[in-house]
Amino acid sequence: GQNIDQPTEMTATEGAIVQINCTYQTSGFNGLFWYQQHAGEAPTFLSYNVLDGLEEKGRFSSFLSRSKGYSYLLLKELQMKDSASYLCAVMNTGFQKLVFGTGTRLLVSP
Amino acid sequence: EAGVAQSPRYKIIEKRQSVAFWCNPISGHATLYWYQQILGQGPKLLIQFQNNGVVDDSQLPKDRFSAERLKGVDSTLKIQPAKLEDSAVYLCASSLAAPSRGADTQYFGPGTRLTVL
Repeated sequence: GQNIDQPTEMTATEGAIVQINCTYQTSGFNGLFWYQQHAGEAPTFLSYNVLDGLEEKGRFSSFLSRSKGYSYLLLKELQMKDSASYLCAVMNTGFQKLVFGTGTRLLVSP
Repeated sequence: EAGVAQSPRYKIIEKRQSVAFWCNPISGHATLYWYQQILGQGPKLLIQFQNNGVVDDSQLPKDRFSAERLKGVDSTLKIQPAKLEDSAVYLCASSLAAPSRGADTQYFGPGTRLTVL
């Protein structure tokens, strides 16, 4: 089976840095995705990690440790528009199947 | 490049009625997915198509849900009859990848918000 855990909710201040953690257990691993989802909208792709290490993309970075079953999404220089849910999703080997966590709702305040 | 299109955006029905959702994936994307997202949860895969064949429908409640992807492009998802617990957002996504390739990014449509009364 699979199990993906991430915090339900986080709050942070504009301009700050926030780290959203995700731990997972899976029988077959083919990478980990992070998606952003604003309320009432579709998830949009942020990052993909399949090898250990840090991937940086502008203000957003994503880290993966396969041996620990752990990933985090790091958001720097937070802006009000970053208030959204952040979904961690693990892809199984074989059929491109994505399994999502419940999402972390991030609230950025002035 | 146009994104994934879905319609309708909103639908309200009474329990035991039928409803159908439509999805048009990104041009050239071989793989199409239907997800159900209940409020406060992550999306859950219902069915996955590779061209016009079903790859995975293990979590599709087949007594009431059905889906097809004729001609390997557009897809429809139907619920008949609907139950209260079917109230959710139904998301369609598509990706380039065939299952034999490495992981590929899934791109999501805006979703259909279904309310069952």
